[in-house]
Amino acid sequence: DVKVTQSSRYLVKRTGEKVFLECVQDMDHENMFWYRQDPGLGLRLIYFSYDVKMKEKGDIPEGYSVSREKKERFSLILESASTNQTSMYLCASSSSLGQPPIQYFGAGTRLSVL
Amino acid sequence: AQRVTQPEKLLSVFKGAPVELKCNYSYSGSPELFWYVQYSRQRLQLLLRHISRESIKGFTADLNKGETSFHLKKPFAQEEDSAMYYCALNAGGTSYGKLTFGQGTILTVHP
Repeated sequence: DVKVTQSSRYLVKRTGEKVFLECVQDMDHENMFWYRQDPGLGLRLIYFSYDVKMKEKGDIPEGYSVSREKKERFSLILESASTNQTSMYLCASSSSLGQPPIQYFGAGTRLSVL
Repeated sequence: AQRVTQPEKLLSVFKGAPVELKCNYSYSGSPELFWYVQYSRQRLQLLLRHISRESIKGFTADLNKGETSFHLKKPFAQEEDSAMYYCALNAGGTSYGKLTFGQGTILTVHP
């Protein structure tokens, strides 16, 4: 079974803090994604990566950055957390082989910014 | 740009009743469409994809290119079908498997 692990289930941070959300997958997938999930808005793509050190902006990249130094790990960084970044964050991975690609999701990190 | 619309935020039915979750898309190319489901306290997971033309847990979905729809249907809903359902579209090509999701529909099946 594909395993996508997000390091924290719940996080509480203060406005202005730098926040790191970590995601690790164990299936040697090339593609990794970060979404935020908000009621009524669905899942919105923040950033994705299709290879080590490669990244592309999604639909809502403002206020976020990412890092992919190793194939299995994809980090989401909030440089200076703000209250409007309070949300559920989901990480996903998929293989470049096989079409159409299926995304496998982590359990999510619920971030509260106070 | 592609877009996925799920017009119903909430859908309630009684056990044994038919259920249809609507999904409409806009995309100029040939789309690949999916339904993902998130049960309570579980992670988001794939339910079915149009290319497989399969029935999963009694659910089916047919791609209607004329109406640009991919509605999810089940003839007899069960209480365990209560969940959040997302329709998603993959644009194919060099999109690296990037998905565009709809807003989601919360399905509640009452006993």
